Amino acid sequence: QKEVEQDPGPLSVPEGAIVSLNCTYSNSAFQYFMWYRQYSRKGPELLMYTYSSGNKEDGRFTAQVDKSSKYISLFIRDSQPSDSATYLCARNTNSGGSNYKLTFGKGTLLTVNP
Amino acid sequence: DAGITQSPRHKVTETGTPVTLRCHQTENHRYMYWYRQDPGHGLRLIHYSYGVKDTDKGEVSDGYSVSRSKTEDFLLTLESATSSQTSVYFCAISAATSGETQYFGPGTRLLVL
Repeated sequence: QKEVEQDPGPLSVPEGAIVSLNCTYSNSAFQYFMWYRQYSRKGPELLMYTYSSGNKEDGRFTAQVDKSSKYISLFIRDSQPSDSATYLCARNTNSGGSNYKLTFGKGTLLTVNP
Repeated sequence: DAGITQSPRHKVTETGTPVTLRCHQTENHRYMYWYRQDPGHGLRLIHYSYGVKDTDKGEVSDGYSVSRSKTEDFLLTLESATSSQTSVYFCAISAATSGETQYFGPGTRLLVL
C-alpha cells in the first residue's frame, strides 16, 4: 500500500462551491502534512502545512488532519475559477537523523466552472 | 519560485546520450531535492542532498546520479538516457530539518527519443 493515497478525480464544481479534497495515509510515524497546488505546466507551490492533528485555516483554505482515521483534508470555501489546479497532499518521513523527505499523493485535478 | 531556477527548461535528446540538468538556488538553503513527475505516478523523489557533497538516494534513483559541489547548485545526471526517463523533472529546496517547507522550481521537460 502506498504511504499516501489520494483520489485523482477529476473533480468539477461550480464557482462558489465548497470543495473537499482528501488523502489517506498508512504510517503514523511522522509529523507534518502538506498541501501543494500545481497549475498546469508549473511547479508545485506550498499551500498549507499542518502539524500532527487538528485544523489550520488560511483565508478560504482549511487543512484538517484526523489522526484516528489517518485522514487529511483540504477544504476550499467560495471556490473560484482561479482555484482550478491539481492539488497534491504530502507528508514527511524521517530518512535518518535530521534528514526528512516528502511522500506525495498522486494529486487531484480540480476544475471550478464560472 | 522562491529563488530557484532550473536549466534547461526543455530538452529533447536521444536514447543513450548523457544528460545533465541543473538546479540553482539563491536562498542558501541546506536541503535540495530532485523529483520526477509522471502521469499516474505523481511526484517521486530521485535523489536529495543534505549539504555540500552529501547526497542520498530516493525512491527512483536507478539510472540517475547527482552532485553538489556548492550550496547553490544541485546537478542531476542521466548517464545514458532511456525513453523511460522522459518526464518532467522538478528541483526543490528546503531550509527546514523537518522537511515541511519544500519549495519547487519551474521544472524541466525532458523528452528522450
